[in-house]
Amino acid sequence: ETGVTQSPTHLIKTRGQQVTLRCSSQSGHNTVSWYQQALGQGPQFIFQYYREEENGRGNFPPRFSGLQFPNYSSELNVNALELDDSALYLCASSLTTGGLTYEQYFGPGTRLTVT
Amino acid sequence: AQKITQTQPGMFVQEKEAVTLDCTYDTSDPSYGLFWYKQPSSGEMIFLIYQGSYDQQNATEGRYSLNFQKARKSANLVISASQLGDSAMYFCAMREYGDKIIFGKGTRLHILP
Repeated sequence: ETGVTQSPTHLIKTRGQQVTLRCSSQSGHNTVSWYQQALGQGPQFIFQYYREEENGRGNFPPRFSGLQFPNYSSELNVNALELDDSALYLCASSLTTGGLTYEQYFGPGTRLTVT
Repeated sequence: AQKITQTQPGMFVQEKEAVTLDCTYDTSDPSYGLFWYKQPSSGEMIFLIYQGSYDQQNATEGRYSLNFQKARKSANLVISASQLGDSAMYFCAMREYGDKIIFGKGTRLHILP
């Protein structure tokens, strides 16, 4: 069974730039969720993708957007980067069935630094 | 109001002792789920244990057990016979309304030799 993978591991960007982070879900999982974890804080839910559509969103502005592909992998795009976007971005995959999403398994994360 | 409250920012425990990490939650969804995750310094979130709101028995996974007290809205994690490798951040989380999972602020656990 292949676990959740994320790329890149680390990334440094300049304020105003755009970034794309990638996530491959665990085999057998059909749902991907993205979280932002600032230093010393718990992860904050950004959004979730199920069947290639956004299925729930947290309090993040529209410049945070995503995609899910037919193979259930996913991308997180952030436009017009701000210094406060510096964080660990975690992707989690899970199985949604019967309308419920069960335990999520996380990838190793992408650490984004915005200068 | 916070959905997930972890009142212990940090804890120090002697190796081989049992440790209880506190978590209280707040939700109006009758069908919710509670999780505990471990996050070592490497950053990866490791799933430990899950408790559904309708589960009659407390969840257990090896050395981990979840002390679920529904009326008190409490879901404490108990680690028996702690080990040095248990030193990490521990997050309590709740799934409500089917999709998103809300995390607490975490407890940093230090196991002392």
